[in-house]
Amino acid sequence: KQEVTQIPAALSVPEGENLVLNCSFTDSAIYNLQWFRQDPGKGLTSLLLIQSSQREQTSGRLNASLDKSSGRSTLYIAASQPGDSATYLCAALFSGGYNKLIFGAGTRLAVHP
Amino acid sequence: NAGVTQTPKFQVLKTGQSMTLQCAQDMNHEYMSWYRQDPGMGLRLIHYSVGAGITDQGEVPNGYNVSRSTTEDFPLRLLSAAPSQTSVYFCASSSSLLWTGLATGELFFGEGSRLTVL
Repeated sequence: KQEVTQIPAALSVPEGENLVLNCSFTDSAIYNLQWFRQDPGKGLTSLLLIQSSQREQTSGRLNASLDKSSGRSTLYIAASQPGDSATYLCAALFSGGYNKLIFGAGTRLAVHP
Repeated sequence: NAGVTQTPKFQVLKTGQSMTLQCAQDMNHEYMSWYRQDPGMGLRLIHYSVGAGITDQGEVPNGYNVSRSTTEDFPLRLLSAAPSQTSVYFCASSSSLLWTGLATGELFFGEGSRLTVL
């Protein structure tokens, strides 16, 4: 069964810390992997999209990597700020089927001053 | 920039009632979809569409109906609401499709519709 797992479920860090969020998936036959941010009571906002042929993508203080062989993706946030507090979800688009975009349950991040 | 618009934002229903959640996008996206989000379970795909007149089931389609008469609109109908359908519903769209109907590009989400069924 194709699954996406995010650990930890929640994370609390002081402002300024560099941090890594983890996403693991059970099937290496993925088409792409996306990272999303969700603020309370809001929809999801796409942060980074990594195609299977890529190793990483960067946007500002965010860097996402993809290692298909180990079934892992990481989202690196540099110099965290209180405004980064949100839930971060990853979603893997698995090949071989219609729209098998599988979401992880998310990591709830709190950055305190 | 409207993007993906969902209405209503909140709704309370009684068991057995029917209702329609509306979704509209102004980005001329071919792919549209409905997800439900439940605590600790991530998002699960209910139905999706790869163009006007074309719809298909996702992971959890039972109890829901969809249609796609225009590119812009993709309503989700609850036929006879049940407490198990209490959830937050999200509509999402994407511009990028493979010929197989696989949405390969960035997904744009609406702000969600919170539904409570008593």
